[in-house]
Amino acid sequence: GAVVSQHPSWVICKSGTSVKIECRSLDFQATTMFWYRQFPKQSLMLMATSNEGSKATYEQGVEKDKFLINHASLTLSTLTVTSAHPEDSSFYICSATKIATSGSSLLFEQYFGPGTRLTVT
Amino acid sequence: QQQVKQSPQSLIVQKGGISIINCAYENTAFDYFPWYQQFPGKGPALLIAIRPDVSEKKEGRFTISFNKSAKQFSLHIMDSQPGDSATYFCAASRRSIQGGSEKLVFGKGTKLTVNP
Repeated sequence: GAVVSQHPSWVICKSGTSVKIECRSLDFQATTMFWYRQFPKQSLMLMATSNEGSKATYEQGVEKDKFLINHASLTLSTLTVTSAHPEDSSFYICSATKIATSGSSLLFEQYFGPGTRLTVT
Repeated sequence: QQQVKQSPQSLIVQKGGISIINCAYENTAFDYFPWYQQFPGKGPALLIAIRPDVSEKKEGRFTISFNKSAKQFSLHIMDSQPGDSATYFCAASRRSIQGGSEKLVFGKGTKLTVNP
């Protein structure tokens, strides 16, 4: 398997402050990491794709100046929610891509972190 | 073209029964189809995945059936257990031009409840 960690697992912050969430691939190197947001009882909503050493690619409707993503190394990506507001309260999940082989084919398997529960008061 | 349609939205099965969740896709460029299991308050866990050159893949009690011509794939959970109660997501992606993988397109999820 592959292990992806996130820190913190939950955070409460005041409106207007910034919060940083870390995503680490613990036992493999990940050239690509993804950041998702999930609302209760809903599917995962992709926010951005993060490639090591380059700028993140944001999905339509996601404010890149509000959700800052840095992919500093092959095992670490961070998401910073700037000037957080109550509507930013959500479950944020990262994933990291691990390259595996299946016969002669390459598989790009996405492994998810445990998620970070953000509550903005 | 980018959607993955998943059904049913919820499923209740008795212990020992077979749970079946279905997904359909439109984009014929998709070449990787994983299933994820998610428990409340946790991140999704990769359960099993298949590529279109194979019609079936089995890992323990979990089996993926793939029908390329119908553009459908399904997850079968044999001998379902109460511990299998979770939300299951199907997904699909395709190889990118750069050789890596593009983003996963997720179904809306199926909440499975296995009664004891």
